[in-house]
Amino acid sequence: GNSVTQMEGPVTLSEEAFLTINCTYTATGYPSLFWYVQYPGEGLQLLLKATKADDKGSNKGFEATYRKETTSFHLEKGSVQVSDSAVYFCALNAGGTSYGKLTFGQGTILTVHP
Amino acid sequence: NAGVTQTPKFQVLKTGQSMTLQCAQDMNHEYMSWYRQDPGMGLRLIHYSVGAGITDQGEVPNGYNVSRSTTEDFPLRLLSAAPSQTSVYFCASSQSGGWSTDTQYFGPGTRLTVL
Repeated sequence: GNSVTQMEGPVTLSEEAFLTINCTYTATGYPSLFWYVQYPGEGLQLLLKATKADDKGSNKGFEATYRKETTSFHLEKGSVQVSDSAVYFCALNAGGTSYGKLTFGQGTILTVHP
Repeated sequence: NAGVTQTPKFQVLKTGQSMTLQCAQDMNHEYMSWYRQDPGMGLRLIHYSVGAGITDQGEVPNGYNVSRSTTEDFPLRLLSAAPSQTSVYFCASSQSGGWSTDTQYFGPGTRLTVL
């Protein structure tokens, strides 16, 4: 079946540090890959996505590249801010008859200190 | 647009009680779904709907019922609540029912505690 594995958290960084959150996946076919972010007390919102191999998704300084050869979709940001403190979820949609169904990783809690 | 709305925000039930979690969207989205979020497990799909009158089971459907009589509304019913259903519940919607690339829009969540 389909699965998503994220790096263990929580992650604690100082402001302006470099961020990497690892994400690897298992899926048949050609999945679409997503990063969702959940700020405290809120629902999830899309951060970025990539729909085919070698695509790079980017938004708000965050980037992730769809690597089919390593089945990975790692999230990176060059300089984090306190306002980036949130829970980050990697997710996939397997396509085909999956409709809108998403398979999520377990989430990574990020805390950024001033 | 209000987007995806959920009520209530918080709920405490006793074992065996029933209740309905409400979800509504005003974006004319065809696809709607319910997830539950548990610590260390990410979000897991409970039920989904690709359009009015059409529903299907997700990964963890036991103990939950859904119906979709209108495009806007997708309520989730707990018939006999159990402590294992203590969780945060999220409703989501997307524009079409069949595209894997669609962005899902999530509601703010309902935090349910079953004693």
